Amino acid sequence: QVQLQESGPGLVKPSETLSLTCTVSGGSISSYYWSWIRQPPGKGLEWLGYIYYSGSGSTNYNPSLKSRITISVDTSKNQFSLKVNFVTAADTAVYYCARAHTAADPFDAFGVWGQGTMVTVSS
Amino acid sequence: SYELTQPPSVSVSPGQTASITCSGDKLGNKYASWYQQKPGQSPLLVIYQDTKRPSGIPERFSGSNSGNTATLTISGTQAIDEADYYCQAWDSTTAVFGGGTQLTVL
Repeated sequence: QVQLQESGPGLVKPSETLSLTCTVSGGSISSYYWSWIRQPPGKGLEWLGYIYYSGSGSTNYNPSLKSRITISVDTSKNQFSLKVNFVTAADTAVYYCARAHTAADPFDAFGVWGQGTMVTVSS
Repeated sequence: SYELTQPPSVSVSPGQTASITCSGDKLGNKYASWYQQKPGQSPLLVIYQDTKRPSGIPERFSGSNSGNTATLTISGTQAIDEADYYCQAWDSTTAVFGGGTQLTVL
């Protein structure tokens, strides 16, 4: 049973970079699409982007944040990461990492989720 | 940008059928998924590819998608089904979520 665990700082200053890591256990990071999704307090879900590793990492980002985010993968650690540059208070949210339900399907449902980690942007 | 619209809230009596709608332009031409989220928990996939249930999801959860509307139906609703429900679809290469519906069982 694959499990996901997010980790990273809970507090980030405005204009700095938010960095989070998702550790995958119980399965390989290869052959699936891995996403980051966030949820501001009391609000709905927003997909940020995904990465797919099959020899090399291919990415796809939400156009609304494309200029500020980077998703990367470290296969040696079975982890993938998120960076959001130039954060503001609007980036305050619970950040989830998630895996596609079906292997090798980029436009599938999100079948496995991490527990989420709260990130607050404040000075 | 593509939008999915859900009613903010739906109420249902225990044992009755709850229907939660999700509207979007030509949504029937895309696959819709549904997620259940209870307070303080991560979302849980309950329906994918319009009508399919992941392993472990009770049969009382079902889905449909046609025209501009996808619908999540919960038959014989139980108190444990009280949660927020989100629909989701892919618009080209971007995943889009609905705003969520709070289901109250009373």
